[in-house]
Amino acid sequence: ELKVEQNPLFLSMQEGKNYTIYCNYSTTSDRLYWYRQDPGKSLESLFVLLSNGAVKQEGRLMASLDTKARLSTLHITAAVHDLSATYFCAVDGGTSGSRLTFGEGTQLTVNP
Amino acid sequence: DTAVSQTPKYLVTQMGNDKSIKCEQNLGHDTMYWYKQDSKKFLKIMFSYNNKELIINETVPNRFSPKSPDKAHLNLHINSLELGDSAVYFCASSHAQARRQFFGPGTRLTVL
Repeated sequence: ELKVEQNPLFLSMQEGKNYTIYCNYSTTSDRLYWYRQDPGKSLESLFVLLSNGAVKQEGRLMASLDTKARLSTLHITAAVHDLSATYFCAVDGGTSGSRLTFGEGTQLTVNP
Repeated sequence: DTAVSQTPKYLVTQMGNDKSIKCEQNLGHDTMYWYKQDSKKFLKIMFSYNNKELIINETVPNRFSPKSPDKAHLNLHINSLELGDSAVYFCASSHAQARRQFFGPGTRLTVL
């Protein structure tokens, strides 16, 4: 059974600082997703990582994937308050069709 | 403009009642999903349909019955509602090949 673990689960940081969220998973997968969820809202797709060594960047967020280590990271650069949200990684373990297994989520709070 | 829509957004009901949640997508996707997000924000897949055919059926009580009348619609009917069914239910859709899932706004179900 595929297991996905994120850490930390809660992260409080100051504006302007850098930090990394980690996502470990237990079995081989060919794709990993990062989603953002604001309180009471839906999940917004941030990144799709499809291969070993993949790196994607959007604004202050950068995601990477190491399939050999079964590890993805979401790096936050010079955090701003607007980044406050819950971030989920999700690993696709599907063979025919998509089957996402989500991590527990990292609740990020960026303080002024 | 709405890509994946769900109705209703909120549903408050008594234990033992039967209720339905509807989902529609206008993205031209062929695969649709139901997820449950519990009070700790943990997301778990419940069902998936591809071209109206059930392809994922996780360990879910048989009080939950999905129905897909066509590729653009996936409904979830719940019989004999229990307190533990209280959660946010998200619908999602994707192309079977591309597999990136887009989520609806969620339906917050409260069972009293």
